[in-house]
Formats: sequence, C-alpha cells, structure tokens
Amino acid sequence: SQQGEEDPQALSIQEGENATMNCSYKTSINNLQWYRQNSGRGLVHLILIRSNEREKHSGRLRVTLDTSKKSSSLLITASRAADTASYFCATVGGSNYKLTFGKGTLLTVNP
Amino acid sequence: DGGITQSPKYLFRKEGQNVTLSCEQNLNHDAMYWYRQDPGQGLRLIYYSQIVNDFQKGDIAEGYSVSREKKESFPLTVTSAQKNPTAFYLCASRRLAGVSYEQYFGPGTRLTVT
Repeated sequence: SQQGEEDPQALSIQEGENATMNCSYKTSINNLQWYRQNSGRGLVHLILIRSNEREKHSGRLRVTLDTSKKSSSLLITASRAADTASYFCATVGGSNYKLTFGKGTLLTVNP
Repeated sequence: DGGITQSPKYLFRKEGQNVTLSCEQNLNHDAMYWYRQDPGQGLRLIYYSQIVNDFQKGDIAEGYSVSREKKESFPLTVTSAQKNPTAFYLCASRRLAGVSYEQYFGPGTRLTVT
C-alpha cells in the first residue's frame, strides 16, 4: 500500500524560481526520505529527515517535517533545468526496513 | 566502481513465458529489494531480502518469485501467473548496520509482455 501522497502531481516553473513539493502520510514513521527519478532511470536518494527532526538542509534542498500533521515539504531553491525530474517521498515506520513510496511530483524547470 | 546493475535494460516476452530479471550489487549491502513502477505511479514493493537464503513478500508478490543464494545477487522471476507483467522494475539495496536507511537503486529493467 502507498502511504505517502505528494502534492502537486505536477509542477512547472521557470529556471531560478523555487519549487515546493508536499508529502502527506498516514501512520507514524521512523524517518521520511526524498528521492529523485529522472525519466526512465533509477531513483537517487536526496535527503532523509528523522521523526525527531523538524528541518534539514542539503545544498539547495530544504526539507521540513511536521509529525503532528503527518506532512513533509521539499523546497528546491534557485531551480535549474537539470532539476527536471520526478520527486518521491518515502516513509519508514518503526523497526520496519521497508520504504513506502508516494506517487511522486513531476517537476519541470523551463530554461 | 561500486553500484547496482540490472540487466537487460529492455526486455520483451510473449505472454505465458516466465522471465528472470537480473540484479547484482557490489556495495556489500545486506538487504536487497525489488519494486515495480507503473506509469505515473510510485514504487510498489514486490519482494525483499535482508540476508542470504531468506526473503519476504512485499505488497504485490503474487506472480513473482525470487532467490537470494549470494549476497551480491537477487534475481526476480516474473511468472506467467502475473496478470499484468508489463512495467518498469527497479532493484535496490541498503546496509542494515548503522542508522542509514538510504536505499541505492539500479537503473531499472523495462519489461514488455505481449
């Protein structure tokens, strides 16, 4: 079953703008991860935020987590055409080693 | 050059035939996973294995089988019992020691069954 739900399903912006994607989930989690997938390729891990963390940064990426609302957001600042990809959130619950993925947000950055 | 390899990249089969997808990793990871991805969808877990000679069903195991005879290898067989086998299949692995939950993905195999 898919736990995460990303919003919006698709997002189109101009190069240099910021992109924000949201993820909601249903059950308690150990951590939440964001992955990127270029068209027809495998997924690449971007960032992980643990359930006791509220915000994390990595380069142009900023992730927030609100466990009371069961939601997370991924912000990409100063976007580039190379950021065009699908972005997925994935949750890990308790001692379960499985990742549960959402359906993803397709981000298009126009040059 | 460490990583996960999947072969072939594209695979075509006739309905009723079994087909085996290869997944090999040289990252010395304990756990390996198989996912299925349909157009516009997220990933759904088929099978996973945390140790050699042991594996567990994921959310959509029906019509699939796996083996884990070596730590490096986790092949997936799509049997004729799988009703809608055409999809993009992704293999992943991760370390179980420590606190890293990050999964490393292969490039995927696109299977088309006609």
